[in-house]
Amino acid sequence: GAVVSQHPSWVICKSGTSVKIECRSLDFQATTMFWYRQFPKQSLMLMATSNEGSKATYEQGVEKDKFLINHASLTLSTLTVTSAHPEDSSFYICSAPTPGSGTSYEQYFGPGTRLTVT
Amino acid sequence: KQEVTQIPAALSVPEGENLVLNCSFTDSAIYNLQWFRQDPGKGLTSLLLIQSSQREQTSGRLNASLDKSSGRSTLYIAASQPGDSATYLCAVSRLSGTYKYIFGTGTRLKVLA
Repeated sequence: GAVVSQHPSWVICKSGTSVKIECRSLDFQATTMFWYRQFPKQSLMLMATSNEGSKATYEQGVEKDKFLINHASLTLSTLTVTSAHPEDSSFYICSAPTPGSGTSYEQYFGPGTRLTVT
Repeated sequence: KQEVTQIPAALSVPEGENLVLNCSFTDSAIYNLQWFRQDPGKGLTSLLLIQSSQREQTSGRLNASLDKSSGRSTLYIAASQPGDSATYLCAVSRLSGTYKYIFGTGTRLKVLA
């Protein structure tokens, strides 16, 4: 199946600094990627849709100036958490759709990045 | 707005039991439904994908069914094993648009040896 990677797998940063997380589709091109956030013992919440060549689309309640998304190429999307605070500590997961069987699209997920802000 | 609920929220069973995990969604206009497992601190492992035109999918001891009209999907696990212990998540994508997923609330499963 298709492979999506994320880097780094975990990061610790100090409050007030910015952190960049990369999401790559390794063996397919993705014009769209999705970013999710997961707090402990909770489900995944969609943050934004990353669109190659255009601006990202953010879900309601997600601050676009805080979570900067850049879809630099057909295989790379980056999420930058700006001026991070301890409440931004979370597990961030990206995904990309690729055609499955027939015309159905299947989501492939990266392994996630655990961010801890001290 | 699509809402996805999973019942039960947690389940603890002895090894060997057959299990049924439930997923319900409020908007039946879905494109796909996908079941995942997530081990603690890890990413997602895809288990089964059901297209909107399908009614079920099977893989090994897993069987997932979909009833769009009633807004339900079930994941059946046969002969459960301790290695099945994980959180199980269902996710649905919209009929049109960008295929983004809305995730369910999850079921934490523990299979006792």
